[in-house]
Amino acid sequence: GAGVSQSPRYKVAKRGQDVALRCDPISGHVSLFWYQQALGQGPEFLTYFQNEAQLDKSGLPSDRFFAERPEGSVSTLKIQRTQQEDSAVYLCASSEQGSYGYTFGSGTRLTVV
Amino acid sequence: GENVEQHPSTLSVQEGDSAVIKCTYSDSASNYFPWYKQELGKGPQLIIDIRSNVGEKKDQRIAVTLNKTAKHFSLHITETQPEDSAVYFCAASRRGGGADGLTFGKGTHLIIQP
Repeated sequence: GAGVSQSPRYKVAKRGQDVALRCDPISGHVSLFWYQQALGQGPEFLTYFQNEAQLDKSGLPSDRFFAERPEGSVSTLKIQRTQQEDSAVYLCASSEQGSYGYTFGSGTRLTVV
Repeated sequence: GENVEQHPSTLSVQEGDSAVIKCTYSDSASNYFPWYKQELGKGPQLIIDIRSNVGEKKDQRIAVTLNKTAKHFSLHITETQPEDSAVYFCAASRRGGGADGLTFGKGTHLIIQP
């Protein structure tokens, strides 16, 4: 596709509910990143894939957060037993191999009530 | 880990004037320094980046300078226009966007006054 596509754009979840956020990267992009952006803050790194391999998950805030990219293209970020502090915009980005910059999607705004 | 500080948090300039945003970083091993522009409801968009082997890079009205000794880098926008109004983020990483995660500053809300 022309850009990084994320769905849904908005998600409201009740506290304790599980959610799944989807990212479709730019076709052929090897690297895929997830970031969390709280209101009024800069994005914070969560995890990074190269193809289907998850090379860095040091930014995942707890074991309630889980990300996968089983076929090296689409990725899903799953949050189990959502808490109010999980409310944020979740951004996905992808990058070509050897490229320095990467392209962000518009994000999914998660609100936990 | 890396810590990136960004100043100011809000910057208001008259249309046509210049704007400067400054960042400092803590990890001396950082080698890649991009700047992103984020408009309301959108994801960050890369506007310019610099690697540690150069001290300055320019692209039309936008320039970035890097001082590795002092561990700071700056974004300069000249002849500002209304469409420059947005939130700007600086970031740093060791290997570059395709190989590791970025550490972002908290952002600068740039307001261009007509």
